[in-house]
Amino acid sequence: SQTIHQWPATLVQPVGSPLSLECTVEGTSNPNLYWYRQAAGRGLQLLFYSVGIGQISSEVPQNLSASRPQDRQFILSSKKLLLSDSGFYLCAWRQGYNSPLHFGNGTRLTVT
Amino acid sequence: EDKVVQSPLSLVVHEGDTVTLNCSYEVTNFRSLLWYKQEKKAPTFLFMLTSSGIEKKSGRLSSILDKKELFSILNITATQTGDSAVYLCAVDLPTSGGSNYKLTFGKGTLLTVNP
Repeated sequence: SQTIHQWPATLVQPVGSPLSLECTVEGTSNPNLYWYRQAAGRGLQLLFYSVGIGQISSEVPQNLSASRPQDRQFILSSKKLLLSDSGFYLCAWRQGYNSPLHFGNGTRLTVT
Repeated sequence: EDKVVQSPLSLVVHEGDTVTLNCSYEVTNFRSLLWYKQEKKAPTFLFMLTSSGIEKKSGRLSSILDKKELFSILNITATQTGDSAVYLCAVDLPTSGGSNYKLTFGKGTLLTVNP
């Protein structure tokens, strides 16, 4: 069966520090991968998605970036965090478009 | 402009009540609509709907899609305190380039079930 791992679970970082969140999927190949952010409230905002190795599409311009160095690995990065980057970051995968999206457990990031 | 609109935004009921949550959407080339339940952590998948008029059911939860009127409902019967959560609706929308699709979420309905 497929599983998705996301770490760390919580993170407290000072403003201006770098960020690296990692996500890996097991038990499948060539998944579509996604990074969402959920700020205060409930909305889930799509940040990046990838349909293959090295293919990254950005939905919202900001100081974050994403990379997919391997088929089942998705990384969210920032060179310098802003206070507004605080939130709940969720990695997700799906096998094609007409299939459910499955989420990792999320990373709660607090920028101080 | 929101393409996926959920209502109500919040709802408080007593155990045993039946609730109906609504999700309307605006999209051409509809592919699928999904429902999720989110408690403290990540959303968990409930249903995926692709065809109109077919009810999906799992225990006390059920959902139906109306492609003509562009909405879906999620019903929960005999609610329990464990049903308290945010319920999210998501629809596949074409990306800005038009060649891919992305799941776009509504703001969710916060359901509180009191004992």
